[in-house]
Amino acid sequence: AQSVAQPEDQVNVAEGNPLTVKCTYSVSGNPYLFWYVQYPNRGLQFLLKYITGDNLVKGSYGFEAEFNKSQTSFHLKKPSALVSDSALYFCAVSSTDSWGKFQFGAGTQVVVTP
Amino acid sequence: EAQVTQNPRYLITVTGKKLTVTCSQNMNHEYMSWYRQDPGLGLRQIYYSMNVEVTDKGDVPEGYKVSRKEKRNFPLILESPSPNQTSLYFCASRNTGELFFGEGSRLTVL
Repeated sequence: AQSVAQPEDQVNVAEGNPLTVKCTYSVSGNPYLFWYVQYPNRGLQFLLKYITGDNLVKGSYGFEAEFNKSQTSFHLKKPSALVSDSALYFCAVSSTDSWGKFQFGAGTQVVVTP
Repeated sequence: EAQVTQNPRYLITVTGKKLTVTCSQNMNHEYMSWYRQDPGLGLRQIYYSMNVEVTDKGDVPEGYKVSRKEKRNFPLILESPSPNQTSLYFCASRNTGELFFGEGSRLTVL
């Protein structure tokens, strides 16, 4: 069975400071990893993905994530947070063994203060 | 414009009254799936479909049915809704990578 953990319910950061949202996973087979963002009363927007290749993945709106196979982690990062980055962030995993199944983390609320 | 369209967006119904939430995508994706979102639980997969006439259970399929008679449509059926099915529902489709989500359907069962 595959699973995803987002250990922080909420992350608070001041505008201009680095932002990190943590994600760890467990799968059989090779992982496919994703980050999504949800703004209030909206659907989920795709930020970035790791399928194969470079461990550092760059995505939309200045976000990036690093795939770490030994630590089974895929943390989301942004060098300089904006107030507009305040939203709910979800990590998700699928895999080569379970391509049809997606597991999402519980979500991390990011609050960026001016 | 590439999109996944769900209807209705909002629905209040009563226990036991059958309802269907429709989902349609215009990206010619073979894969489609349904999720429910509940506070503190993230999104949980209900059913998914790898292609026409091929469906499979996700993590929380109890109380739901689906059908995939055409590639573009993947309706979610609640034969006898109960209050514990009050939730925000998302449909999604996928080519080979990320999921593309609809805007969501907020369902309240009284």
